[in-house]
Amino acid sequence: AQSVTQPDIHITVSEGASLELRCNYSYGATPYLFWYVQSPGQGLQLLLKYFSGDTLVQGIKGFEAEFKRSQSSFNLRKPSVHWSDAAEYFCAVVSTGKLIFGQGTTLQVKP
Amino acid sequence: DTGVSQDPRHKITKRGQNVTFRCDPISEHNRLYWYRQTLGQGPEFLTYFQNEAQLEKSRLLSDRFSAERPKGSFSTLEIQRTEQGDSAMYLCASSRQGGTEAFFGQGTRLTVV
Repeated sequence: AQSVTQPDIHITVSEGASLELRCNYSYGATPYLFWYVQSPGQGLQLLLKYFSGDTLVQGIKGFEAEFKRSQSSFNLRKPSVHWSDAAEYFCAVVSTGKLIFGQGTTLQVKP
Repeated sequence: DTGVSQDPRHKITKRGQNVTFRCDPISEHNRLYWYRQTLGQGPEFLTYFQNEAQLEKSRLLSDRFSAERPKGSFSTLEIQRTEQGDSAMYLCASSRQGGTEAFFGQGTRLTVV
């Protein structure tokens, strides 16, 4: 079965520092991959998605992600983190018509 | 753009009671999904509909859970004889048929006491 692994449960970065959140997927064919962000007590907001084509995808709020088939990864990056980026981040893959999510990474931003 | 709407936002119920949640998807979306999320976990798939047809149900969806989408528009998720383990955030999402980008509501937080 398709699955997604987010190895880092919790990450703390200083405001202004760069960020990389890891995501590994298990899928035989070319996956449809997503990153969502969730603020406390809220639903999920789509940051970006990858279906095909250019392996570097740009999203909202200055985020980008790179699809690497050889590593089965779809890591999320941001060059300079803002305090408002503190939230929970979920990587997801489409499997038989529905999204399968990883466990999430909680991002804490230090002033 | 009204987005996906869920009602209520919060529900506190006593163990053994029945509860029902409602989800109104984005109007032109014919797929609707229900997920459950517990603290510190990612959303877990429960079930999804294409129009009024329930296409898939997770093994997580015990016989105490039932979901309907009678006219292919809004959906309800009912939990009968609630247990403390049912305490979670219940998320609804919708998408276009064949589309893979799902839009989520703000969720219903259920607390079973």
